[in-house]
Amino acid sequence: DQQVKQNSPSLSVQEGRISILNCDYTNSMFDYFLWYKKYPAEGPTFLISISSIKDKNEDGRFTVFLNKSAKHLSLHIVPSQPGDSAVYFCAASARDYKLSFGAGTTVTVRA
Amino acid sequence: DAGVIQSPRHEVTEMGQEVTLRCKPISGHNSLFWYRQTMMRGLELLIYFNNNVPIDDSGMPEDRFSAKMPNASFSTLKIQPSEPRDSAVYFCASSYSVGEAFFGQGTRLTVV
Repeated sequence: DQQVKQNSPSLSVQEGRISILNCDYTNSMFDYFLWYKKYPAEGPTFLISISSIKDKNEDGRFTVFLNKSAKHLSLHIVPSQPGDSAVYFCAASARDYKLSFGAGTTVTVRA
Repeated sequence: DAGVIQSPRHEVTEMGQEVTLRCKPISGHNSLFWYRQTMMRGLELLIYFNNNVPIDDSGMPEDRFSAKMPNASFSTLKIQPSEPRDSAVYFCASSYSVGEAFFGQGTRLTVV
C-alpha cells in the first residue's frame, strides 16, 4: 500500500524555468516530510524538509509547500539548473524512524 | 566524515549462493537502516536498528534475509540462499535523530 505517491514519473523543464514536483500522501499521522535527490549510481541525498506545523520552507532555490488539508506537498526549484537533473523522492514520517518514500520523479533540465 | 560507506558497490552471484552486504554508518549516528530499491516497489525499508539493536525487521522479505549490527560502526545484510528476484540496489542509511537519514552509495546486487 503506497502511502506516499508521486504521480508524475518524469518532468522536463528548460534551464532557468521553474520545476514543480508534486507529492500526495494518505496517512494522516504523517507530520514530517522530506525531499531527497538521487543521481545515478549514488544514494539519495537529503534536500529539504518541512514539519506539519509549517506550510512553507525555503532553502535557496528550493521551496517546499505543504497543504495538510489536501495531504499534498510540492517542491519548487527556481531557477532550474542542469545540475538539478536527477530523481527526486518525496518521503514522509510520523515522527518515528520509518520513512515512507514515493516512487520518485525524474527531472530533466534542458539547456 | 566520509559518510555512510557500503561495500561492495557491485555484486554478481549465482543463485543459491550466500551474499553479504556491508555498511559502516556515520560516526555518532545511533540509527541504521537497510533499504532495497527495485523498479516495482521503489525504496522499501527492510530493517531498522537503534543503538545496535534491531527494532523493526518487518520489511525483511523472507527468512533468507538476515541483518546484524555487532557494534556501532558496522552492519551486515546477508541473503542465504540468494535468488534472482533478490536482484536490486541495497542501500544502508544512518541518522542521529528522527528525520533526515544519510544514505550510502548502495550495493547493486545481481543474482543470476
